[in-house]
This record gives sequence, C-alpha cells and structure tokens, in this order.
Amino acid sequence: GAVVSQHPSRVICKSGTSVKIECRSLDFQATTMFWYRQFPKQSLMLMATSNEGSKATYEQGVEKDKFLINHASLTLSTLTVTSAHPEDSSFYICSALDRGRTEAFFGQGTRLTVV
Amino acid sequence: GQQLNQSPQSMFIQEGEDVSMNCTSSSIFNTWLWYKQDPGEGPVLLIALYKAGELTSNGRLTAQFGITRKDSFLNISASIPSDVGIYFCAGRSGTYKYIFGTGTRLKVLA
Repeated sequence: GAVVSQHPSRVICKSGTSVKIECRSLDFQATTMFWYRQFPKQSLMLMATSNEGSKATYEQGVEKDKFLINHASLTLSTLTVTSAHPEDSSFYICSALDRGRTEAFFGQGTRLTVV
Repeated sequence: GQQLNQSPQSMFIQEGEDVSMNCTSSSIFNTWLWYKQDPGEGPVLLIALYKAGELTSNGRLTAQFGITRKDSFLNISASIPSDVGIYFCAGRSGTYKYIFGTGTRLKVLA
C-alpha cells in the first residue's frame, strides 16, 4: 500500500516560535496533499489543499499567513505554523493523493504542543 | 468547515456482535471512503467505494455506497477487541477534496 510519512510525530515549542511539519509520500508521487487539524475527540477538519508547484488553497477561516504550506516536489509538502500560540496546539495530519488513484493516504500525524 | 453526519456517535458492544454505522450528506458524492483511527495515529484506509449501490468487503468489514449517493454504510461482523477505535467516513465530490464525517467511536467489551 501507499506509505505517507509525517515528521515529527510530536513537537513541543515555545509560544511565538515557528514549527515546520513535513509530509512525504515514500513510494508514490503525490500531486495533491491535504493538511488537516484534529482537536481531541473531534473529526478531521481540512485546513488546506496543496498541489505540487502551485500555491495552496486554504479553507475558509484558516489563516494562510499563519499556516504556511509548501509543496515543492511530488513527494514532499511542508506545513509551517508561524508564531505559534497555545491555541494552535492540536493534532496535525497530512494526506496524499496518489497520481491516478482516488484514495487519500494519511501520515501518522504530528501532535503539536505550544507552551 | 463542512462535515458529514455520522451515526451513531459512539457505541459500546460485546465482543462477537455485529456493528453498523452510517454516514449521510446533504450533497452528492462520487467516492466514499471509510477509515479507522487509533489513538495518536493517523487514519488508515479500510474500504473505498466508487459507484452508487456498490457493496465492498474487506475481511469482516462490509461497506455500501448508497443508491442516492448521499449516504454510505459500514458493517463490522463478529467484532473483536482490536476493532476499538474511531471510524470516519469521507466523501469526495467533483474535486479531490475530501469531507470527513463526525466519527463513530467504537468500544468493544470482551
């Protein structure tokens, strides 16, 4: 099956600093990657859709200047949480769409804690 | 953001029992997916459905794409303790964007 690797799995950062999360498709080319946010006991909320080589499309209510997304290659997308605050603490999950397929495969998630 | 309605929200069942959950939408989808998420992990794909009326099985799991294209069902037969987790449906319409259900939290009592 398609493997998506997300790094780091856990990160703790100080308020005001920035954190970068990587999402890699290991054995396929991902033309589209998705970034989700999940609060405890809640569902996944789509933050943005990124296509390789173009700007990400953000969902309504998601600040694009705070959540910077870069999809520079067909196997890597990054999410940078800038000037993080405690309310940004959450579980962030990426998923990747295999070229030619319609199922999305998920990374293992990154638990961000801002102190 | 938009979400699909999934029910039940949570359920406790005895080991060996069958489980049914469903997902409904106000809009039409052309793909339905079912995922399972364990605590602290990302969702894992269980079953993918592509055509209205389609019935697909994966071991003890069976899912169906509703005829109206606005709903989908997941059944788990003869549940075991490792079935515990949160099950999410996801629907996709014309774009590649997936919308997730609110989740069904399953607990299996041995």
